[in-house]
Parts: sequence; structure tokens; C-alpha cells
Amino acid sequence: QLVLTQSPSASASLGASVKLTCTLSSGHSSYAIAWHQQQPEKGPRNLMKVNSDGSHNKGDGIPDRFSGSSSGAEHYLTISSLQSEDEADYYCQTWGTGTVVFGGGTKLTVL
Amino acid sequence: EVQLVESGGGVVQPGGSLRLSCAVSGFTFRSYWMSWVRQAPGKGLEWVANIKQDGSEEYYADSVKGRFTISRDNARNSLHLQMNSLRAEDTAVYYCARGGSSSWCIWRWGQGTLVTVSS
Repeated sequence: QLVLTQSPSASASLGASVKLTCTLSSGHSSYAIAWHQQQPEKGPRNLMKVNSDGSHNKGDGIPDRFSGSSSGAEHYLTISSLQSEDEADYYCQTWGTGTVVFGGGTKLTVL
Repeated sequence: EVQLVESGGGVVQPGGSLRLSCAVSGFTFRSYWMSWVRQAPGKGLEWVANIKQDGSEEYYADSVKGRFTISRDNARNSLHLQMNSLRAEDTAVYYCARGGSSSWCIWRWGQGTLVTVSS
């Protein structure tokens, strides 16, 4: 079964960096994923698509502070130079035959 | 500018029906897979349905299969979701979303419309 696992919460200080993780279920490590950001009381927005080889394509207007990478079944979203507006929920998404799956989301707190 | 604007949300009784619409602009609608995704209050994102560019293929989450129908009108640049036999657990903000030309990666999102199923 295609499943994405994310830690429920993360925190980091203003100006620091943080690395969020999204893990694909066993047997699905070759799948691409996408990262989405949802700020409070707003709709989600795409940050990027990350391929299994770690290459990524960013959404329109996404700052260079956001980067993606992967290692096997684990995909990472790194946010550097944290700003207050980065405090948000972050979801990973993948897709397979006849289905789309979202991770449970990580709530990022900027201290 | 790419825009996806949902409408049609509201309050409906259990067992009732509702039809959501999404008006899109700023891109060639007929070239992309389209999706509906929902978010229950205080919860995460849940995929609902996908439809192919020409409407020839539809896919649904098990939770809505047989009750919801996704459709599109490429002449009017609009996406729809017909929701029947609504349940309390269908209460959520429903988002219209644009996929890729050949993948289901969601690249663009609407702002959502709230559906409340309550007696």
C-alpha cells in the first residue's frame, strides 16, 4: 500500500535551517513526490516536485531558500534562513496507479 | 495569472446533494489532469478524485466512490464535483487543483470552498 509518513511537528529558530522528512512506504522508493506548504487559514501551494534521483522542479515564485533532496525512500525539504512566514503546515504528496496520497503533514513552528 | 476559483459550497443535510464548481483561467485547461482534494476541519489533506484532460478517465478515493462524480467542461474552462448521499464525514474544505500534463503532481491549488454536512 502506498503510504507517506511525516513527523507531526518540527521547530527551528528564526534565521536557522530546518530539514523536514517524508518517507515512502516499502516497495515505493522510486516514486516521485511533491511538497506543498499551507500557511494558516490559506489554501496549499506547491513548493516543488522531487524525483527519485533527488532532482527537483520548483513551483512558480518559490524562493531559493526552499530545496529538495532524496535518499532511497526518504525525501527531504530543507528551508534555510527561516522567516516568520515559513511557519506553516508542510505536506508531501505522491501518486500511483489510480490513486493520490498525502502524508499527514508536518507543522513547522518558527521560534 | 493562473487562477482556480471554487464555488458551490454550503450547508447540506445528511443524505443530501451538492455540486461544486471550479472556474479556471490563466492556463490551457484542456491540457491538464484536474483534481479535487479536501481537508476536514483541523485535519490533513485528502485526495478525492482525478479526471483526465479529455474527461475519458476518472479516479476516486474509496471514501467517495459511488457517491461523488467528477466532470469537466473544457469549452467553459470549468471543473465540477457532484456530491450525493452526503455524510457528516464529508464536511471539509474542498480544493480544486491542477495536475500535470502527464502526472498527478499537483502544481496549482484553488482557495477552497467549505462544505458542511449537518442536520
